[in-house]
Amino acid sequence: AQRVTQPEKLLSVFKGAPVELKCNYSYSGSPELFWYVQYSRQRLQLLLRHISRESIKGFTADLNKGETSFHLKKPFAQEEDSAMYYCALKGAQKLVFGQGTRLTINP
Amino acid sequence: GAVVSQHPSRVICKSGTSVKIECRSLDFQATTMFWYRQFPKQSLMLMATSNEGSKATYEQGVEKDKFLINHASLTLSTLTVTSAHPEDSSFYICSAAEGPYEVVQYFGPGTRLTVT
Repeated sequence: AQRVTQPEKLLSVFKGAPVELKCNYSYSGSPELFWYVQYSRQRLQLLLRHISRESIKGFTADLNKGETSFHLKKPFAQEEDSAMYYCALKGAQKLVFGQGTRLTINP
Repeated sequence: GAVVSQHPSRVICKSGTSVKIECRSLDFQATTMFWYRQFPKQSLMLMATSNEGSKATYEQGVEKDKFLINHASLTLSTLTVTSAHPEDSSFYICSAAEGPYEVVQYFGPGTRLTVT
């Protein structure tokens, strides 16, 4: 079975502070993991995927198979990062989402 | 980037009636489309996967006779909620991928259904 857990429903940090959104997964196969973001009144959009190993908008995420984690990190948060963030795992064909973390960046 | 549209963005219907939601890929051909449901303050739950020209695959617990999915062309999939009830009120989101094994999905803006 595929399962994605985001333990924090809400996360609030000050502008300029580091931010880490946690994601743990459960999957028997070789996982493909993603972070999606949904800004206020906008559609869900792909932020990054583990395979590409790139930094998007200053965010990075490293797949740790030993800890079955795919935490999203940014060293210096910006106000425009305030949004809903979803971690997702793709199995054979299906994309399974975590519960989401609402990130608020305080000025 | 690839754009997916949904129509309508909001719909209110009376209990017992049926309502159709359209999902279109505007600038690419979507072999596979997905329909999700999102309850307030909850995550997206996959309802069904549709591949163009074939029957949709429904997730466990989703009534296929109630949520009719048609994917007759490479740019259009429809979800029809039949005999709607107030508990069907929800946010319905579609996504599209260029192939059944294509990793990246592009999401529509969602449709808010309210059944009175």
